Amino acid sequence: DIQMTQSPSTLSASVGDRVTITCRASQSITNSLAWYQHKPGKAPKLLIYKASSLRSGVPSRFGGSGSGTEFTLTISSLQPDDFATYYCQQYKSYSWTFGQGTKVEIK
Amino acid sequence: EVQVVESGGGLVMSGGSLRLSCAVSGLTFSDAWMSWVRQAPGKGLEWVGRMKSKGGGGTIDYAAPVKGRFTISREDSKNTLYLQMNSLKTEDTAVYYCIHILHDGSGYYYGGTWGQGTLVTVSS
Repeated sequence: DIQMTQSPSTLSASVGDRVTITCRASQSITNSLAWYQHKPGKAPKLLIYKASSLRSGVPSRFGGSGSGTEFTLTISSLQPDDFATYYCQQYKSYSWTFGQGTKVEIK
Repeated sequence: EVQVVESGGGLVMSGGSLRLSCAVSGLTFSDAWMSWVRQAPGKGLEWVGRMKSKGGGGTIDYAAPVKGRFTISREDSKNTLYLQMNSLKTEDTAVYYCIHILHDGSGYYYGGTWGQGTLVTVSS
């Protein structure tokens, strides 16, 4: 299985901050990477696919970059609605694997 | 707008069975590829399996921990996906999510719309 490692596991930030989350794959996945936002009791929400493609309807303050084994999710200006847990997911293999999650908390 | 709604979760004894349902609307379900992912309490997300559309070959793939115990099926006339879970273990306790799979244009498939999940608790 392809292992996905996210960092940090928890991040404390304020509204308006620029936030960056990193995801590393145990082997090259080219750009077969997605990012999801998850709030308790809600359905996980797709933000980014193909490493940097923004899903329709997702605010432009979310951005993704990277290829191969290193990827980042950036929130350019954190908004109150963005406090949540974020997961990366590789889909290079049909047996998807996920990072362990990054919880973005209010500072 | 695609909507995905899971149901059927509950409390079951170890060794027992449960069937989850996933009702999908807002798309041509017979063309849809679907997946199940679970999240155990306090743990990360774990892929359970996927089912291609009949037109896509109808192939079903499973994660190693559930292979031989879980069965994914679909009823296209009812726009519904199922997850039959047999020989349940305490480690199967999790929220189970149903997901509509999307194609990224490069031959790879990722999770599009997710449901809110249904909780399965397996007690000893």
